[in-house]
Amino acid sequence: GIQVEQSPPDLILQEGANSTLRCNFSDSVNNLQWFHQNPWGQLINLFYIPSGTKQNGRLSATTVATERYSLLYISSSQTTDSGVYFCAVANSGAGSYQLTFGKGTKLSVIP
Amino acid sequence: KAGVTQTPRYLIKTRGQQVTLSCSPISGHRSVSWYQQTPGQGLQFLFEYFSETQRNKGNFPGRFSGRQFSNSRSEMNVSTLELGDSALYLCASSLLGDGPYEQYFGPGTRLTVT
Repeated sequence: GIQVEQSPPDLILQEGANSTLRCNFSDSVNNLQWFHQNPWGQLINLFYIPSGTKQNGRLSATTVATERYSLLYISSSQTTDSGVYFCAVANSGAGSYQLTFGKGTKLSVIP
Repeated sequence: KAGVTQTPRYLIKTRGQQVTLSCSPISGHRSVSWYQQTPGQGLQFLFEYFSETQRNKGNFPGRFSGRQFSNSRSEMNVSTLELGDSALYLCASSLLGDGPYEQYFGPGTRLTVT
């Protein structure tokens, strides 16, 4: 199956700093999603981005499908950005609609 | 539009018992998937249903089963509970299920097995 690696595993930022989270995947995909897991465990959708670039406020994401990686940018970080960020991919062309998740990046934003 | 709902939110069971978890997808969504999250194994796929048919199953023992009803609501069942089944169980729905559609997750059911 597809392998997903996220880096860094842990990240500590001062409030106001910018950060880049990376997701590498081992095979072609036609679904890539970024999630933020809140303290209660719910996965909040950030981006659905199998290719290209998207922006939503202080967050943006880029996926370069041909090189099998995706980046999540967080600018002007706030304490509410703390939590775990997951990248998940799928390749439905292989007959499987399951998302394969990376192990996540734990972000801590300190005041 | 209401999001994915899961019931119950918290559950405590004893080893050997069985448990049923419920998931209601977003209105109009026909594909429902289940995932297990544990500190050691991370997020792992359990199974996916579309039009009441299981299309994919993850690498879990037969104690884990599920079903989907005609209204797209889904249930998963774990029989003969083991301590290692303690986890957050997440349900996700997507629009049609015949393409790489975005998945939306519910708040999860936190199961503790004692």
